[in-house]
Amino acid sequence: DTGVSQDPRHKITKRGQNVTFRCDPISEHNRLYWYRQTLGQGPEFLTYFQNEAQLEKSRLLSDRFSAERPKGSFSTLEIQRTEQGDSAMYLCASSSTMTGTSYSPLHFGNGTRLTVT
Amino acid sequence: SQELEQSPQSLIVQEGKNLTINCTSSKTLYGLYWYKQKYGEGLIFLMMLQKGGEEKSHEKITAKLDEKKQQSSLHITASQPSHAGIYLCGAVGYGGATNKLIFGTGTLLAVQP
Repeated sequence: DTGVSQDPRHKITKRGQNVTFRCDPISEHNRLYWYRQTLGQGPEFLTYFQNEAQLEKSRLLSDRFSAERPKGSFSTLEIQRTEQGDSAMYLCASSSTMTGTSYSPLHFGNGTRLTVT
Repeated sequence: SQELEQSPQSLIVQEGKNLTINCTSSKTLYGLYWYKQKYGEGLIFLMMLQKGGEEKSHEKITAKLDEKKQQSSLHITASQPSHAGIYLCGAVGYGGATNKLIFGTGTLLAVQP
């Protein structure tokens, strides 16, 4: 079990540029989540996948954000035309529905810290 | 609006002291998770509570979910510097969205040697 892996760990970009982050979940996990966290706040839900299907997307997520999980394994989160307000830690988590319990814990990666200048 | 309230927002204790962090919801909790986060890192899963009155322990950390399932507490006994970090409670089941985990704002814990 290598855990949830996120790449890159840090990204600095200029306003208006596009950025893409990658998340590799724990291999046997079929659910994958994206969260955003700003300083002093708890993680804020963005979207989640079950296998390759995107089942829920936050209403707070603007059209500039898009996430994919094409083969039900790794996922990418793209932000187009970045704004300074997008600066945050982007966290990925995965879980399994096969544990036999109603709610399975989410396992988080170490995040990608985005700074938009 | 934030649906999970954590108190206190921050806490400084001396090593060896006990402490309690609370997580309160205005709605019934169907699953309550406790996580710990070191600054700049991801969240580490501590415990999950589902049943009213449930209590779980791991090493020196004990978490309880009250009978009405609207409040949870996290208690650390004989705190150590390794306990320092941000403690976050998370809940599922809000508004029928059973798969979405919503977090509180967190409690920052510092332990002075």
